[in-house]
Order: sequence, then structure tokens, then C-alpha cells
Amino acid sequence: DIVLTQAPLSVSVTPGESASISCRSSKSLLSSKGITSLYWYLQRPGKSPQLLIYQMSNLASGVPDRFSSSGSETDFTLKISKVETEDVGVYYCGHRLEYPRTFGGGTKLELK
Amino acid sequence: EVQLVESGGGLVQPGRSLKLSCVASGFTFSNYGMNWIRQAPGKGLEWVAYISSGSSYIYYAETVKGRFTISRDNAKNTLYLQMTSLRSEDTALYYCARGSMDYWGQGVMVTVSS
Repeated sequence: DIVLTQAPLSVSVTPGESASISCRSSKSLLSSKGITSLYWYLQRPGKSPQLLIYQMSNLASGVPDRFSSSGSETDFTLKISKVETEDVGVYYCGHRLEYPRTFGGGTKLELK
Repeated sequence: EVQLVESGGGLVQPGRSLKLSCVASGFTFSNYGMNWIRQAPGKGLEWVAYISSGSSYIYYAETVKGRFTISRDNAKNTLYLQMTSLRSEDTALYYCARGSMDYWGQGVMVTVSS
């Protein structure tokens, strides 16, 4: 199974500042179709996860452009610029390269 | 508006069975594969199972293989998860999610305890 390792476990950010979250994969997430199968989700407190980023760098519908993602075949970074109150929650990376689908352990973002 | 509404959860004794349902609306259900994903209390996300749009392809996590069965009724826009031989470690909030996990339901709680 593909193991996704996120860092840090938690991050505390001053509103208006930036935050970065790392996700490392145990296997290349580059598919045979040339798509990097890395996804980012945000789970706000008490809510269901929502898709933020698909195929490593594409914003999901309705997601503000303060969110961006980049990476290689195995190392990925989610960046949140100008953090706002609504960004608080747990961020998960996940893949869709093969079965079983797996997720990273999560990174909790809090405000200072 | 895409909506996924799970139901069927509750408290069940170890070794017993439970069947979850997920009713979909706001999109053409029969065109999409569907997933079940769970989250134990205070823990992260664990993918459980996937079924393709026409039920031809089905995949399970090793932790549930042989005990859980995913199925769907496209005429009723409904996804199911039949859970048997339940264990305490199956206690979790169970979400259904559309194929690409772009939409998730609100989740239904399953508690396995004597």
C-alpha cells in the first residue's frame, strides 16, 4: 500500500500569514497517463472533509486561490497564503493512483 | 446541488451486522463510482470500499475484506454497505463519497460495543 506521510502534525499561524504542509509518498504518484494522483482535503471542525486540490495542483470548485499545491512525483506541498479563520481544521493528503486509496495522517492548522 | 445522505448507523454488539445506506441527489448517480470512507473517533481518514458505476469493479480495504459488502441500486440512487462480523475497531463515522471524492456526505456513526 502507498504510505503518505504528512508534516508537521500541527501548525499554528497568525491570520494573514502563510502556512505550508508537506506530504511525502512512499511511491511515485505519477500515473501512466501523466497525471499526478495527489489530492488535498480540508476537514473543518465537526464537518465532513472537502476537496481542495485535485491532481496535485488544480483547485477544486469554489476553493479560493489562496490555496496552492505543487510537488514532484513523491513530495508535495500545500501552501495557504493569507490564512483566514475559515482555514482552521485538519488537512489531509490522499491519492487515487491505485487501490487501496490511502490518506496521510493529517495536519491540524490552528490560529495564533 | 449534490447531496449525499447516509443512514443506518447505530450501536451494535460485536459479531453482529449492520447495513448503511447513502442516498444521492443532484447528479446522475448511475454515472459515478462511489466510495465508503470511515473515521474512527479522533483519528484520520480510512478508505473502506469502492464500487464502479455499473457495479463491475469493486475494491475493499484489507481491514474489511470478507466482512463488508458494498453494493448499489442505481434505480434508487442509493449506495449500501453491508457490514458483518463487526468488531470494536470498526467503530467510526462512515462517509459515502462520490467517485473522485469531490463530494462527501455528512457521515453516519457506527459504534460496536457490548
